[in-house]
Amino acid sequence: KAGVTQTPRYLIKTRGQQVTLSCSPISGHRSVSWYQQTPGQGLQFLFEYFSETQRNKGNFPGRFSGRQFSNSRSEMNVSTLELGDSALYLCASSPYSGVFTGDLGQETQYFGPGTRLLVL
Amino acid sequence: AQSVTQLDSHVSVSEGTPVLLRCNYSSSYSPSLFWYVQHPNKGLQLLLKYTSAATLVKGINGFEAEFKKSETSFHLTKPSAHMSDAAEYFCVVRALNTGGFKTIFGAGTRLFVKA
Repeated sequence: KAGVTQTPRYLIKTRGQQVTLSCSPISGHRSVSWYQQTPGQGLQFLFEYFSETQRNKGNFPGRFSGRQFSNSRSEMNVSTLELGDSALYLCASSPYSGVFTGDLGQETQYFGPGTRLLVL
Repeated sequence: AQSVTQLDSHVSVSEGTPVLLRCNYSSSYSPSLFWYVQHPNKGLQLLLKYTSAATLVKGINGFEAEFKKSETSFHLTKPSAHMSDAAEYFCVVRALNTGGFKTIFGAGTRLFVKA
């Protein structure tokens, strides 16, 4: 199976602009999560989607938003970019079905290579 | 509440010597525990996972980890380090709570391997 793919891999934007990042999960996976990774804050959870619904959200401002499509592909959007938004954005997919079956393996997340965003 | 503490921010070993990366966790629910590795400018690769089937878990590239509930630890070990093991390692707790799974990452341990 192909792994999680993220596009674009690298992006340069200026303050005030907006950006959209895309994530395609592993085939058959319906749960997608997004994380921000910075040297100062480490890995921080942004949000999680399942069946086109946001199920969990981290502690980020409303400038950060996301969505999931019927084919499980997900996008995240950051509006009014700030210098501090420069980071590696990671997407992860998991086989969680929406119903916990007792199989803890469905919690396993598989990560994409990330999109490195630089805000100037 | 859940938390993960990686006890060392940096670990340095010589090639061919054992590796020990320490992780302690706390969780209100029965968690799953994971170790991921991240090489420079790469995403996170799953090394191994504990999901209650066995307390000693074997992963890829010769790594293994032992779940010790009494010590709330999940330390990562490898008998003999290789230069290619130099990377950052993350211990992760994931548990089911209302609304879905919650994931907590440790701060990471950077492993240096000396020739």
